[in-house]
Amino acid sequence: AQSVAQPEDQVNVAEGNPLTVKCTYSVSGNPYLFWYVQYPNRGLQFLLKYITGDNLVKGSYGFEAEFNKSQTSFHLKKPSALVSDSALYFCAVRPHGGYSNYQLIWGAGTKLIIKP
Amino acid sequence: DAGVTQSPTHLIKTRGQQVTLRCSPKSGHDTVSWYQQALGQGPQFIFQYYEEEERQRGNFPDRFSGHQFPNYSSELNVNALLLGDSALYLCASSLEAGLTSTDTQYFGPGTRLTVL
Repeated sequence: AQSVAQPEDQVNVAEGNPLTVKCTYSVSGNPYLFWYVQYPNRGLQFLLKYITGDNLVKGSYGFEAEFNKSQTSFHLKKPSALVSDSALYFCAVRPHGGYSNYQLIWGAGTKLIIKP
Repeated sequence: DAGVTQSPTHLIKTRGQQVTLRCSPKSGHDTVSWYQQALGQGPQFIFQYYEEEERQRGNFPDRFSGHQFPNYSSELNVNALLLGDSALYLCASSLEAGLTSTDTQYFGPGTRLTVL
C-alpha cells in the first residue's frame, strides 16, 4: 500500500536555530512530492514541491526541502526558525506514471513549535 | 486574483441528514478535488472532478457524491450523515493537463462539518 510517514508528531526548535521536519514515503515509480502548512482554523497553504531535477528545492517563507531517492525521503528544512513558523506541516505525495492517479497521499502531519 | 473559496464555513447537522458543500476554484483552474480531514489527521482523498466528471475516487462510500458545473465550481454531497463524518472538508483546485501534469493543488479554507 502506498503511504507517507512523518515520524515526529511534534518538533520543538528555538527561534533562530535551524529546523528539520522529516518525511518518508512508500510509493512506486517517481512520485511528485509536496509540503503544505496549516495554521489553526485555516486551509492548507502550499510551500514547495519536487518534480524532477535538483534535489534541493526552495519554496515560500525561506523553506527548502531535500529529496533523497535512495532513502525515499523529502525532509523540510529552514536555516533559521521564526516564532511565526509555528504551525502544522504536512508532507504529500502524488503517485506518477503507469496508472491513473490524480490524488495526493498525505502524512499525518508534524506540529512545529518555535520557542522564543 | 481570488483563491479557492468554500461555503459554508461551518455547518452543524444531525445523524441521517444530508449536506451539500460548495467550492469555487482559483481563477484559471479547471479541476477540483475534495478531501476529508478528521481531527488530528492528514487529509484523505474523496474524489476529483474534471470536465464535469468524476475521474478518480478514494475509499469513500457512495453516500459521498459530487458534481462539477460548467464554470468549474463543484459541490460535495453527503447523504445519511454519520457521527464519523464530522471533519474539515477541504476543496482543492488545479489546472490538470493529465497524468503528467505537475500542477499544484491549491486549497480553500475548508468547511467544518459537525454531525450530532
